[in-house]
Amino acid sequence: DAGITQSPRHKVTETGTPVTLRCHQTENHRYMYWYRQDPGHGLRLIHYSYGVKDTDKGEVSDGYSVSRSKTEDFLLTLESATSSQTSVYFCAIARQADQETQYFGPGTRLLVL
Amino acid sequence: SQQGEEDPQALSIQEGENATMNCSYKTSINNLQWYRQNSGRGLVHLILIRSNEREKHSGRLRVTLDTSKKSSSLLITASRAADTASYFCATDANQGAQKLVFGQGTRLTINP
Repeated sequence: DAGITQSPRHKVTETGTPVTLRCHQTENHRYMYWYRQDPGHGLRLIHYSYGVKDTDKGEVSDGYSVSRSKTEDFLLTLESATSSQTSVYFCAIARQADQETQYFGPGTRLLVL
Repeated sequence: SQQGEEDPQALSIQEGENATMNCSYKTSINNLQWYRQNSGRGLVHLILIRSNEREKHSGRLRVTLDTSKKSSSLLITASRAADTASYFCATDANQGAQKLVFGQGTRLTINP
């Protein structure tokens, strides 16, 4: 499972509140990714990181920010949650030895009321 | 925007039959990958085919790639109930940082 954990696994929050999701990996891989998965849209890239303090935007980055102050942790923050951000969020890593393939965490189910 | 479009969106077959899923994409690619997702779980990598390859096999999986048509197919032979899942194609369009663009997926149901 590539040693990827996500926390929390489930969260219910209210519109307008900030929310932070955590992705933690145990193998010091360089590349980390945040996706959201919605019915009819597959997975869409929110932000990604290619090293500590090196991050960039993906396809659907509006309303999200990320931080990576340590190799093992990649945080996704919804600055002011909206109902449209209700989704399942997946973190993924790409291993040094096989950077073309991504390995996914178990996901976080977020409901914004 | 989605790079990959998958067809069909849903497929239901009997155990033992073969299942074929198709993926079309828009831009040139370095490679195309297929992932499986069981209900409520993260995606699992199945197979990768590079742009200079035409066919690849892994166990009961066969992937083809036609770069002239910008399309790929995934064949699962002798299907089993455990193959019930959603299958996604993903393309690496050489945008750097090993970014993948995923299709919308095919939901495969294997009936016993």
